[in-house]
Amino acid sequence: NAGVTQTPKFQVLKTGQSMTLQCAQDMNHNSMYWYRQDPGMGLRLIYYSASEGTTDKGEVPNGYNVSRLNKREFSLRLESAAPSQTSVYFCASAPRDTEAFFGQGTRLTVV
Amino acid sequence: AQSVTQLGSHVSVSEGALVLLRCNYSSSVPPYLFWYVQYPNQGLQLLLKYTSAATLVKGINGFEAEFKKSETSFHLTKPSAHMSDAAEYFCAVRTLKTSYDKVIFGPGTSLSVIP
Repeated sequence: NAGVTQTPKFQVLKTGQSMTLQCAQDMNHNSMYWYRQDPGMGLRLIYYSASEGTTDKGEVPNGYNVSRLNKREFSLRLESAAPSQTSVYFCASAPRDTEAFFGQGTRLTVV
Repeated sequence: AQSVTQLGSHVSVSEGALVLLRCNYSSSVPPYLFWYVQYPNQGLQLLLKYTSAATLVKGINGFEAEFKKSETSFHLTKPSAHMSDAAEYFCAVRTLKTSYDKVIFGPGTSLSVIP
């Protein structure tokens, strides 16, 4: 049982480049989330999807887009990367009435 | 809107002493509440959760937390700290409605355990 799988695990981008972070879960969860983690700021919600076909902004959505491709997959896209987007990104999924389950994270550096 | 505050970004305790990490939340509906732990360069591990059952919740590694609605608090405690408890601790609140499902985290508390 793989749980929540994020790819890639590490990435270095140049300013202005674009990329998509992939996330897939095999637990049949309705809800999925993208977070970024920066020192001293905890995990901040970028976007979430409460069900297949719906997405909504979280606390820090600027500079990002998301796609809920199907129930399993929730991708995060950076259209034009900026150094301020250097962070560790976590994807998570959750069933209806309990905790979220997290992937192992993607460490992104924008130079 | 939901929010989570954690009083004290850094807490130091002596080995064997009581651990108390504070968490206060705001939520427009009855929340689900969680504590997660993160060790250096690792992912998040669930310590314990409140999902509207018993208000005193026991978790892994001897931790427990009490949901106090009147105080909007969910403080984490452990009677006796161990060196292996040194980590970052995050409190989170989940607010769930029909088409709305946010899980918001606090800024975290870094726990140091002094031998």
